[in-house]
Amino acid sequence: IAGITQAPTSQILAAGRRMTLRCTQDMRHNAMYWYRQDLGLGLRLIHYSNTAGTTGKGEVPDGYSVSRANTDDFPLTLASAVPSQTSVYFCASSEAAGGGTGELFFGEGSRLTVL
Amino acid sequence: GQNIDQPTEMTATEGAIVQINCTYQTSGFNGLFWYQQHAGEAPTFLSYNVLDGLEEKGRFSSFLSRSKGYSYLLLKELQMKDSASYLCAVGDSNYQLIWGAGTKLIIKP
Repeated sequence: IAGITQAPTSQILAAGRRMTLRCTQDMRHNAMYWYRQDLGLGLRLIHYSNTAGTTGKGEVPDGYSVSRANTDDFPLTLASAVPSQTSVYFCASSEAAGGGTGELFFGEGSRLTVL
Repeated sequence: GQNIDQPTEMTATEGAIVQINCTYQTSGFNGLFWYQQHAGEAPTFLSYNVLDGLEEKGRFSSFLSRSKGYSYLLLKELQMKDSASYLCAVGDSNYQLIWGAGTKLIIKP
């Protein structure tokens, strides 16, 4: 069982370009999340989805968009990348809606550098 | 505001015991989580406390005091593979996780 798969694992991107980070889970979890992790800061929630067809904004949503067309996939799109979006991005899922109710399962992360 | 505080870095000796503290101020409380994250890898779940007291799981234990807004993670019989960052997170009133910046634990032989 793969769990959560993220792609790409690493990417260098020119500022102003559009980029989509892919996330797929095979655990049939209801809830999915996108976090960014920056040195010296805790994980910060970008967007989340409690169930297929719904999404919500997290702590740092500006410049990012998500969609949840089905249970398994939760792509994160940067419409026009800026250098401040250089970060490691983690996709995560949980069985129940709301990350604070149970264990989160994380993907291996996508390291994005915007020049 | 919401805040999770934990030490930035700690050093301990192989075979010893180390305690990593976490204090929190959040809007509501729906459980406290500890995750382990090795360098360059994803966080993995260690423990969950929602009631006061100590939860023991092998070499790792986690303690919670809700009245003090305080938790600690206790690691016994330290092994070199325990070198990692340990992340404290609290579920707030909306059941979303608020994360601390993590404590980098360095284990020396």
